[in-house]
Amino acid sequence: LAKTTQPISMDSYEGQEVNITCSHNNIATNDYITWYQQFPSQGPRFIIQGYKTKVTNEVASLFIPADRKSSTLSLPRVSLSDTAVYYCLVGKPIKAAGNKLTFGGGTRVLVKP
Amino acid sequence: DTEVTQTPKHLVMGMTNKKSLKCEQHMGHRAMYWYKQKAKKPPELMFVYSYEKLSINESVPSRFSPECPNSSLLNLHLHALQPEDSALYLCASSQDNPFLAGIGDTQYFGPGTRLTVL
Repeated sequence: LAKTTQPISMDSYEGQEVNITCSHNNIATNDYITWYQQFPSQGPRFIIQGYKTKVTNEVASLFIPADRKSSTLSLPRVSLSDTAVYYCLVGKPIKAAGNKLTFGGGTRVLVKP
Repeated sequence: DTEVTQTPKHLVMGMTNKKSLKCEQHMGHRAMYWYKQKAKKPPELMFVYSYEKLSINESVPSRFSPECPNSSLLNLHLHALQPEDSALYLCASSQDNPFLAGIGDTQYFGPGTRLTVL
């Protein structure tokens, strides 16, 4: 399984863009890159997923370079409620066997007023 | 409905007790998961069920016993736990459709059960 490396923590201010980069040098051909957000004492919440290039949804963008050895989660114009831990995961679904994902250490993002 | 529910929210048990955690989803997902999360640590995978069959057991001690009665329900039976087993236990589900080639299998998590073992 590909191991991921993220910064332990990041501080930001309301209204700023937050970019979190995740390294996954050993990513396999069929692996997808997925980001989750987790608030204290809650389950992780899916944010975005991608395979290559750029993916954008209503809450975030995910940039993946051609070599796929890293990815960057971009949160535009953060608010105080975006304070959370953000996890980068890589993995692939195994047919009829579920999807074995390994959570890395995560990045604690603190948004200040 | 994109919700995974877990009961109870909180559980306190002694080392000699037997208890069960429950998880339910009605999204038609065919894979369900149990994770354990200690404070300020990432979730750790414990078990994976796919099509109601146990497909992954991450070398979890036998005092944790999973059960998948049907495609919507997942239980975790607890017996003779240790204080170090105190943690947040998370359930998740995913579509696990073998025909969705090329699409990552997103996991949806429940809110968790906060377990304290005395």
